[in-house]
Amino acid sequence: ELKVEQNPLFLSMQEGKNYTIYCNYSTTSDRLYWYRQDPGKSLESLFVLLSNGAVKQEGRLMASLDTKARLSTLHITAAVHDLSATYFCAVDWETSGSRLTFGEGTQLTVNP
Amino acid sequence: DVKVTQSSRYLVKRTGEKVFLECVQDMDHENMFWYRQDPGLGLRLIYFSYDVKMKEKGDIPEGYSVSREKKERFSLILESASTNQTSMYLCASSPPEGGGLYEQYFGPGTRLTVT
Repeated sequence: ELKVEQNPLFLSMQEGKNYTIYCNYSTTSDRLYWYRQDPGKSLESLFVLLSNGAVKQEGRLMASLDTKARLSTLHITAAVHDLSATYFCAVDWETSGSRLTFGEGTQLTVNP
Repeated sequence: DVKVTQSSRYLVKRTGEKVFLECVQDMDHENMFWYRQDPGLGLRLIYFSYDVKMKEKGDIPEGYSVSREKKERFSLILESASTNQTSMYLCASSPPEGGGLYEQYFGPGTRLTVT
């Protein structure tokens, strides 16, 4: 059974600081997805990482994938309040068909 | 842009009622999914479908059924609603594998309360 684990699950940080959210998964996969969810809203796709070493950046967020270590990171640079949300990583794997398995989510709060 | 819509944002039903949650996508996607989301439990897959009239159980199918009569529409049915089915329900769709991609697009969610 595929397991996807995120840490930390809760993150409170000050504006202007940097931090990294980690996503570990338990089986071979070359594809990893990051989503954002605002309170009371649905999930919005942030990044799709399709190969080992993939790096994608948008604004203050940068995601990377290391398939050998089965690890993805979401790095936040100079956080601002608007980044407060819950961030999910998700993985599909060879025999999953079209299913994704989601991590538990990291609830990020950026304080002024 | 892909659009996934759900029939209701908020729904209140009584225990024992039959409940239908509807999901429609406009991008001709083959794959459709129903999740429930509860605090501390993340997203859990209830059922999914990879083609019309096809369905597969997810991780928590008990107490639910689904229907997919048309490609664009995927319905979740609670045969006899119970209070432990109070939750946020999210529908998603994804295209068939292209470029190795199974990115899912989510609807706005239905917050269901069963009293």
